[in-house]
Amino acid sequence: AQKVTQAQTEISVVEKEDVTLDCVYETRDTTYYLFWYKQPPSGELVFLIRRNSFDEQNEISGRYSWNFQKSTSSFNFTITASQVVDSAVYFCALKNNAGNMLTFGGGTRLMVKP
Amino acid sequence: NAGVTQTPKFQVLKTGQSMTLQCAQDMNHEYMSWYRQDPGMGLRLIHYSVGAGITDQGEVPNGYNVSRSTTEDFPLRLLSAAPSQTSVYFCASSYSRVLPLHFGNGTRLTVT
Repeated sequence: AQKVTQAQTEISVVEKEDVTLDCVYETRDTTYYLFWYKQPPSGELVFLIRRNSFDEQNEISGRYSWNFQKSTSSFNFTITASQVVDSAVYFCALKNNAGNMLTFGGGTRLMVKP
Repeated sequence: NAGVTQTPKFQVLKTGQSMTLQCAQDMNHEYMSWYRQDPGMGLRLIHYSVGAGITDQGEVPNGYNVSRSTTEDFPLRLLSAAPSQTSVYFCASSYSRVLPLHFGNGTRLTVT
């Protein structure tokens, strides 16, 4: 069985603040893939990043960064200097190498106020 | 290149009615899937297909049927709609099952 928990259902910050979205996962597989998706108010789902279980290197892309720690089964997402356009629901997801199911967390709604 | 196209965008059904949600992709992706999104529950997999002629159940398949006669199309059928099927439905595709999914824009379904 696999499970993804996003404990923060809603976060509100003021523009330019840094914010971290937490993601904790459970899986028995040694090979798996982790994803983050963004769902802006318009409703579409936008892929942000994929990380496989053998690559614990943190990644930075502009104002976005991801911290993958296998020891704590976490794959946290940080937005630096948040902007109003970052307001969205963010989903963390897990895919085992065997099997065909992509399991999503419940999502975190981020509101960035001007 | 349209990506993943879902129709309709919105639909209202009465309990017991049937309908088909259409999904088409033009990226020659083998893997296609249907998810439903409900508040606080993320997205849950309904059915998926790893290629034409091959389909399988996901986490919440009851009340839904699928078929995959071509690589491009993956329709989702509701045979007898129930209020519990009120949700937003997303179709997705990818080149392989471990690569990121490309999502359609969703269908908002209300069953009264």
